Amino acid sequence: AQSVTQPDIHITVSEGASLELRCNYSYGATPYLFWYVQSPGQGLQLLLKYFSGDTLVQGIKGFEAEFKRSQSSFNLRKPSVHWSDAAEYFCAVGSLIQGAQKLVFGQGTRLTINP
Amino acid sequence: NAGVTQTPKFRILKIGQSMTLQCAQDMNHNYMYWYRQDPGMGLKLIYYSVGAGITDKGEVPNGYNVSRSTTEDFPLRLELAAPSQTSVYFCASRSLRNTGELFFGEGSRLTVL
Repeated sequence: AQSVTQPDIHITVSEGASLELRCNYSYGATPYLFWYVQSPGQGLQLLLKYFSGDTLVQGIKGFEAEFKRSQSSFNLRKPSVHWSDAAEYFCAVGSLIQGAQKLVFGQGTRLTINP
Repeated sequence: NAGVTQTPKFRILKIGQSMTLQCAQDMNHNYMYWYRQDPGMGLKLIYYSVGAGITDKGEVPNGYNVSRSTTEDFPLRLELAAPSQTSVYFCASRSLRNTGELFFGEGSRLTVL
């Protein structure tokens, strides 16, 4: 069965610092991988996705993520965070067989930005 | 373009009461989903639909029912509310072509007392 683990429940970084949010997945076949962001009181918004090809993918708001098959990881990065990046971030995996019809989400990582 | 619209945004129910959470999308998406979000648990899939007249269970379907009579609407029914159903519920939709990207509503916060 598919599963996603986000080891960090809560991360605090200073504005302007770099950011890396960790995501590990478990799935036997080639996965579809996603990062979503949820601002307070809002629904989730897609940041980026990986289906195949280049393992470094670019997303919106200056985020990027790197797929590492050997480590079963899909970590999210940003070189310099802004106060507006404070939100909850969810990693998700979808199965290729089902065409990402159903996604399994991680527990989420809450990001706090210090001024 | 409204996207995915959920109503109500907030609701308090007594144990044993019934209610329906409404979800409508105006993007002509084939796929629609209901998730619940509990603190520290991420999102869990309750039910999903691949098109009008077709629904299927997700990870946590017990205590819920759905229907999909039109492409636009995907209501979620709670028949006998229980405190364990206190949660934030999200409806989402996805087009047939754009594999994976879900478009979410703003959520419905339900409290069962």
